[in-house]
Amino acid sequence: DQQVKQNSPSLSVQEGRISILNCDYTNSMFDYFLWYKKYPAEGPTFLISISSIKDKNEDGRFTVFLNKSAKHLSLHIVPSQPGDSAVYFCAAILSNSGYALNFGKGTSLLVTP
Amino acid sequence: GAVVSQHPSRVICKSGTSVKIECRSLDFQATTMFWYRQFPKQSLMLMATSNEGSKATYEQGVEKDKFLINHASLTLSTLTVTSAHPEDSSFYICSARGAGGPFLETQYFGPGTRLLVL
Repeated sequence: DQQVKQNSPSLSVQEGRISILNCDYTNSMFDYFLWYKKYPAEGPTFLISISSIKDKNEDGRFTVFLNKSAKHLSLHIVPSQPGDSAVYFCAAILSNSGYALNFGKGTSLLVTP
Repeated sequence: GAVVSQHPSRVICKSGTSVKIECRSLDFQATTMFWYRQFPKQSLMLMATSNEGSKATYEQGVEKDKFLINHASLTLSTLTVTSAHPEDSSFYICSARGAGGPFLETQYFGPGTRLLVL
């Protein structure tokens, strides 16, 4: 049963514009959320995370927003760059359950020049 | 960020042979290591969780006798695919989590190992 869902398999954005990647989850007990970026044939690279007690975390061009009441989080990339083209995975953790990551299926982002 | 290495990056083997994949945390002590596999265009699926010095915990549907996991030290975990078959061909990725600080909640991933069983 998929507890973390990324309903958009792909997204195309023009360079310089904002990319918004969405993620929904079903388990209200998740207490930590992470975004990973993945290129083909490589392991995921950690991008940014947010604790469930916060609603926003910003790191450079990347901002993650968390709406607990809606069980929704989003990753904003601004301005988008061609090098951002990759698959982005949303993941959630239950800290009292061994910290294993529950992944969404990923969203493939393409940033066009 | 933290560095996790995986070796080999790619392996091709004959059906029936065993393959060992190593996962190392290079700049922190990994109290917990996780093994994932990813099929093409699918998400990463957790196979097992291993804590240093104890037996691995396998996810439902993962055969522990087929996928042997050893977490002998705080910087090394190995996954051995025993008697590999073509259906075991996949991308295997490990991740590591430390005891505190930025390593507590965040898992750092290795680059992955592409296994092809002929």
